[in-house]
Amino acid sequence: ETGVTQSPTHLIKTRGQQVTLRCSSQSGHNTVSWYQQALGQGPQFIFQYYREEENGRGNFPPRFSGLQFPNYSSELNVNALELDDSALYLCASSDGTGGRFGETQYFGPGTRLLVL
Amino acid sequence: DQQVKQNSPSLSVQEGRISILNCDYTNSMFDYFLWYKKYPAEGPTFLISISSIKDKNEDGRFTVFLNKSAKHLSLHIVPSQPGDSAVYFCAAMRNTGTASKLTFGTGTRLQVTL
Repeated sequence: ETGVTQSPTHLIKTRGQQVTLRCSSQSGHNTVSWYQQALGQGPQFIFQYYREEENGRGNFPPRFSGLQFPNYSSELNVNALELDDSALYLCASSDGTGGRFGETQYFGPGTRLLVL
Repeated sequence: DQQVKQNSPSLSVQEGRISILNCDYTNSMFDYFLWYKKYPAEGPTFLISISSIKDKNEDGRFTVFLNKSAKHLSLHIVPSQPGDSAVYFCAAMRNTGTASKLTFGTGTRLQVTL
């Protein structure tokens, strides 16, 4: 039990729509990262937030955006959905500063998004 | 460019025997490595980690070995149990001073048979 929860568990959207995914981090964890896991692949880093500021981003376009709130919750927003956005979206929380050596991230169960 | 590679997509091992899962990486700047286990419809669960200043870390039935010169790490599970059947991901991290981004391999599906 990691204490990281995500909602919803499953979601179906159509191309061009917008979606918001939510994550509740483990208490005391001030860093949250979001990952996209396509079928048959490992998770791919989208971005990370530390104390409500984005402090790192992977190779994802600006239509992927996020927010982190003081109550250890966060959101991933995706605009103008494309078919290739269909994937499992994972959030992970940690208790260190971004980039601290030896930091372990704890994952939630994920939200499975299907774009039709 | 796949910086973390798990070249065996699947592995089958008999209960009680040793399971060895392998992982190779190309980026010499990685300084922290982790193994995660993932069951269907669940997020990855942290198993064990190792920093680049060590060559071995042990936790119960799980041991991770790191060979920096070969850019290779392995996860040993002894003895293997049916509940170990899952997909195992190797992940690597580089201390950039900003985001602690994990780079994952594509996973190895372990099946432990009776």
